[in-house]
Formats: sequence, C-alpha cells, structure tokens
Amino acid sequence: QSALTQPASVSGSPGQSITISCTGTISDVGSYNLVSWYQQHPGKAPKVIIYEVSKRPSGFSNRFSGSKSGNTASLTISGLQAEDEADYYCCSYAGGSSPWVFGGGTKLTVL
Amino acid sequence: QVQLVESGGGLVKPGGSLRLSCAASGFTVSDYYMSWIRQAPGKGLEWVSYISDGGTTIYYADSVRGRFTISRDSARNSLYLQMNSLRAEDTAVYYCAKLSGFLIDYWGQGMLVTVSS
Repeated sequence: QSALTQPASVSGSPGQSITISCTGTISDVGSYNLVSWYQQHPGKAPKVIIYEVSKRPSGFSNRFSGSKSGNTASLTISGLQAEDEADYYCCSYAGGSSPWVFGGGTKLTVL
Repeated sequence: QVQLVESGGGLVKPGGSLRLSCAASGFTVSDYYMSWIRQAPGKGLEWVSYISDGGTTIYYADSVRGRFTISRDSARNSLYLQMNSLRAEDTAVYYCAKLSGFLIDYWGQGMLVTVSS
C-alpha cells in the first residue's frame, strides 16, 4: 500500500487559515470515510485532532476542521496560533491485508 | 485515565533481537485493537503491526513480516513486539497505540530502537 500524498510543508501567519491536503486512491481515501489527522510536536507522540473525516475529539479546538472530496482529504486550521506549529499526518483505512496507510506528513510553520 | 508505557528499546547490532513491551493502564488490552507504529529518524509514521481485540486477526507490514511478532498478555495487561533479525532500516521510535474503532485514540511516549554495529 503506497503512502498517502501530503505537501512536505505549509506556512501561514498568525490569524490566517491554512489547508493541508492528503491525496490517496479509490482504494483508501476514496472508499472510506475513515480519514484521521494527527498532530505531532517535536519529540512528542502524535495525537488525534480529526477522525472519520471531519469529527473532532471531545474538547478539541474548533479551529481545526476536516473534509473530503473524492480521493483527497483536507485539514483546515483557522486562526493560526504559534502552538499550531507542528507536523501533521493523515491516515486512512484501506481495508484488506494492509488496512491502514499514513501520509508522509506536513510540517506547518507559523511565521 | 488511559496510559501506555513502552520499555525494552535500545541499541542492538544488525541481526540481533529485541523485545518491546507496552504496559497499559486505564483499560483492558484484550478489549481493543492494539498496534505498533514506528517513526524512523526525521521520517513519517509507519504501521508495523496490529492485533485484534479477540486476538484472531494479526497484521504485519511487509517490511517486518516474518521477523517481528506481536503478542499480548492479559494477566499483565501488556502488549509486546518481538523483533528478530533486526536491520539498520528498523531504526526508529516505536509507539504502542490503542485503537478505538478505526481511530488511534491513545499513543505511548515512544521507545527508540537503534540498529547499528
């Protein structure tokens, strides 16, 4: 199973909005509404910020939102804050013998 | 609250073996899908292995199949990863993870495994 495709880096200024794309295939992103997004700060374990395409874990900031169109999922962060600077990974269920696949990760820089 | 604490990592020579342990608290390991996920230095995340709640379904990534074995101990409420025939490319931080449905809802702190002569 090939990794999902994410941009290597994105950047934005405080208060702005950014969107990170995650492109898969009809076998993964396109077939299942089971895309999740994980935020990872340096030296820390990842933590989930979006699951099932657009759901947020309880208590998590509504500045983070997710969507999907065809084989591409997207994560949008609005009102950028300095603490949003981190690596972001998408993950999709793909079924079969290799049921989950990650994206390569996107480094978000808050200018 | 849910906690996952890995142990057993370290430096090992190519061809050597290592066993990672993950002690769980706040939930019962055998009631959930559990997984090992790794991250090579400066790289992205890679699924390594998972075991289903009933223990009947086990998955291995192609890169580790035949060399790694996932298991769990209900009495100790722990998850394990036996890693044999280690290669340099297995060098990574290994995370123990709990799944809830199709979501990784909890991660351990990570354990560094370095394969080098």
